[in-house]
Amino acid sequence: ELKVEQNPLFLSMQEGKNYTIYCNYSTTSDRLYWYRQDPGKSLESLFVLLSNGAVKQEGRLMASLDTKARLSTLHITAAVHDLSATYFCAVDKYNDMRFGAGTRLTVKP
Amino acid sequence: SQTIHQWPATLVQPVGSPLSLECTVEGTSNPNLYWYRQAAGRGLQLLFYSVGIGQISSEVPQNLSASRPQDRQFILSSKKLLLSDSGFYLCAWSVGPNTEAFFGQGTRLTVV
Repeated sequence: ELKVEQNPLFLSMQEGKNYTIYCNYSTTSDRLYWYRQDPGKSLESLFVLLSNGAVKQEGRLMASLDTKARLSTLHITAAVHDLSATYFCAVDKYNDMRFGAGTRLTVKP
Repeated sequence: SQTIHQWPATLVQPVGSPLSLECTVEGTSNPNLYWYRQAAGRGLQLLFYSVGIGQISSEVPQNLSASRPQDRQFILSSKKLLLSDSGFYLCAWSVGPNTEAFFGQGTRLTVV
């Protein structure tokens, strides 16, 4: 069974600090997705990582994928309050897209 | 461009009542369609996915069912709701396996 684990599940950080969210998955897959969810809202796609070694950056967020280690990271640089949200990683295996439990990020001034 | 519509946005239903949530996608053909449920403060649980009309795969045993009567229409149903069915239901679509999924706005269901 495909399993996706994220850590930490809760993250409180101060503005201006850096931090990394980790996503491990249990089966071979060359594609991994990161989503953002604001409270009470749906999911918004952030990154699609399509191959081993893929790195994508947008603003203060950078995502990377290591398919050999079955690990993806979402790095936050110089956090700002607007980044407060829940972040999910997801892995797709034969139409079965499984999500991690999510990391609830709170950025404090 | 492709869009996904999901309704209603909010629903309060008594225990034992039926349920019907609808999701439609525009601007694409033969999409993969998904129903997820998110309990309060929790992650997403895949309930059903469909790769074509009439083709439904169920991930977890429950009193919910799904149907795909048309190519771009996905319906989530229940004959009798339970309290435990409360949650945030999300419909999503993708162009096929191993591709990015796009989500509808969700339906917040409260069973009372």
